[in-house]
Amino acid sequence: DAGVTQSPTHLIKTRGQHVTLRCSPISGHKSVSWYQQVLGQGPQFIFQYYEKEERGRGNFPDRFSARQFPNYSSELNVNALLLGDSALYLCASRRDNSGANVLTFGAGSRLTVL
Amino acid sequence: AQSVTQPDIHITVSEGASLELRCNYSYGATPYLFWYVQSPGQGLQLLLKYFSGDTLVQGIKGFEAEFKRSQSSFNLRKPSVHWSDAAEYFCAVGPRGGGFKTIFGAGTRLFVKA
Repeated sequence: DAGVTQSPTHLIKTRGQHVTLRCSPISGHKSVSWYQQVLGQGPQFIFQYYEKEERGRGNFPDRFSARQFPNYSSELNVNALLLGDSALYLCASRRDNSGANVLTFGAGSRLTVL
Repeated sequence: AQSVTQPDIHITVSEGASLELRCNYSYGATPYLFWYVQSPGQGLQLLLKYFSGDTLVQGIKGFEAEFKRSQSSFNLRKPSVHWSDAAEYFCAVGPRGGGFKTIFGAGTRLFVKA
């Protein structure tokens, strides 16, 4: 079975640009979460979507947005990129909204903002 | 405030030696507890989890962790470290009864010397 897949794996942008990151969850998983991992730190929660609705949002500015599609895949969008947005963006899926279902992570999208 | 503290930024052990990585958490109630491992350039892989019951839990790759409620701790241990265990280890907590936000510690980087 395919795991959580993310694209692109690496990308370079300049300040002020926009970026879209994509995530396909494990088949049968209806919940997708996004995390930002800055170098040397632990992952920080950005969003969670379940059944195509936003169920939680972390402490990130409105420049960050996301959505979940009918097939449960998800996009993370970041507008007006700043140097500080350079990070590994991780997507994780789980079967439903229960905390007892553990997160399965993708390999991440490495974003570099110049 | 909810938080996870991993007091050791990095640890170096000799191959074959025992290992203990510390984790303390601050949470309103006993959360679900997790340990994840991240190899360079990779996503996070679940090592083990604690939901309830026996406070000593076994995980993959020979790892175990012990939950101590009185100390709000969930330390990770391995009796004999292998060179392939060199990686970054993250302790995390998640809400019971459903919810969306898993909180991660800042991580402990493990170095293994021959």
